[in-house]
Amino acid sequence: SQQGEEDPQALSIQEGENATMNCSYKTSINNLQWYRQNSGRGLVHLILIRSNEREKHSGRLRVTLDTSKKSSSLLITASRAADTASYFCATDTGRRALTFGSGTRLQVQP
Amino acid sequence: DAGVIQSPRHEVTEMGQEVTLRCKPISGHNSLFWYRQTMMRGLELLIYFNNNVPIDDSGMPEDRFSAKMPNASFSTLKIQPSEPRDSAVYFCASSFGATGANVLTFGAGSRLTVL
Repeated sequence: SQQGEEDPQALSIQEGENATMNCSYKTSINNLQWYRQNSGRGLVHLILIRSNEREKHSGRLRVTLDTSKKSSSLLITASRAADTASYFCATDTGRRALTFGSGTRLQVQP
Repeated sequence: DAGVIQSPRHEVTEMGQEVTLRCKPISGHNSLFWYRQTMMRGLELLIYFNNNVPIDDSGMPEDRFSAKMPNASFSTLKIQPSEPRDSAVYFCASSFGATGANVLTFGAGSRLTVL
């Protein structure tokens, strides 16, 4: 079963705009990770946020985590056409390997 | 490092045939994972190994699927006999650490089509 569910399923924006994707999960976690998948490729790790952290930044990426609401968001600022990809959250519950959500397909129009 | 290497990249086979997918993890990584990705079910964990030992195979769909890791640098996922519903992209990933939930490095995937 899916531990994480991303919202929206698909997002289309113009270059330069910000993109926000949300992830909700069901059980307590040790950490939450975000991955990107370009079409026809494997997933690439973007950022990890631990359960005791509320916000983390990496370049144009900003991740927040609200453990009380069991949710996380990924913000990509000043998006570029090269950001077009699917984005997945993955949760570490400490009980098994990472469980991935269903993903958000992001399309950035040049 | 060349990253996680999977072969073949694409495989088309007929129902009932045996399929073997191969993976070479990143040197020094001690955990290896097999995931399957489909439109309907998303990305599902099939099995993962730590120090060449299977730790969690609860995601293996049925007895037709088997996975081995004879040494730290090689793993196989075998489907025998294959069925059309096995059509998917199979990903191998590796990581370093003592648990199954560290940062993963994925291979490019093996796209399997069973006719």
